Amino acid sequence: AQTVTQSQPEMSVQEAETVTLSCTYDTSESDYYLFWYKQPPSRQMILVIRQEAYKQQNATENRFSVNFQKAAKSFSLKISDSQLGDAAMYFCAYRYLMNYGGSQGNLIFGKGTKLSVKP
Amino acid sequence: NAGVMQNPRHLVRRRGQEARLRCSPMKGHSHVYWYRQLPEEGLKFMVYLQKENIIDESGMPKERFSAEFPKEGPSILRIQQVVRGDSAAYFCASWTGQGYYEQYFGPGTRLTVT
Repeated sequence: AQTVTQSQPEMSVQEAETVTLSCTYDTSESDYYLFWYKQPPSRQMILVIRQEAYKQQNATENRFSVNFQKAAKSFSLKISDSQLGDAAMYFCAYRYLMNYGGSQGNLIFGKGTKLSVKP
Repeated sequence: NAGVMQNPRHLVRRRGQEARLRCSPMKGHSHVYWYRQLPEEGLKFMVYLQKENIIDESGMPKERFSAEFPKEGPSILRIQQVVRGDSAAYFCASWTGQGYYEQYFGPGTRLTVT
């Protein structure tokens, strides 16, 4: 079964600094999607960034970027110029292609990393 | 364009009562996923529905839990005879059923069983 592991239960960063959150996953598939979601205290799940496994180029969204290492099954999130509003739980998630191997596209989540931002 | 709506946002039930959680998908979305988030955990898949059809319920407990998505109205996750272990946040996510598969999440319902 596919699993997603986030080895850092908590992380802390100084405002305006850069922080990297780690994620590894286990799969035997060659094509899939990877995501980072942010969950602030409101509990709303907010999509931060996504990566298609067939794309070699790392995804970037403003201050957020990923380091996707397919062979190592690693998918880390880098947050640059950290802001107080970045404080939240961050979840890494994996998803099969739709209808592939019986998958219905549900997301498989890690346990999350709690990010604190110090002013 | 309203996002995914869930109600109630908070629900308190005593052990043995029934809980009904509602999810109204985004306009134009005909597919809904339900996920459960236990305290200090990530979200876990429960069930995937299309209107009038359960596509995949492999993540749902076999007893006491059921889900439906009627032709008209919201999707409903029903938990009968709740126990303390059912206390969790329940999220639904919707998508169009075709094209890019991004799921849009609702704000969740926090169920507390006393």
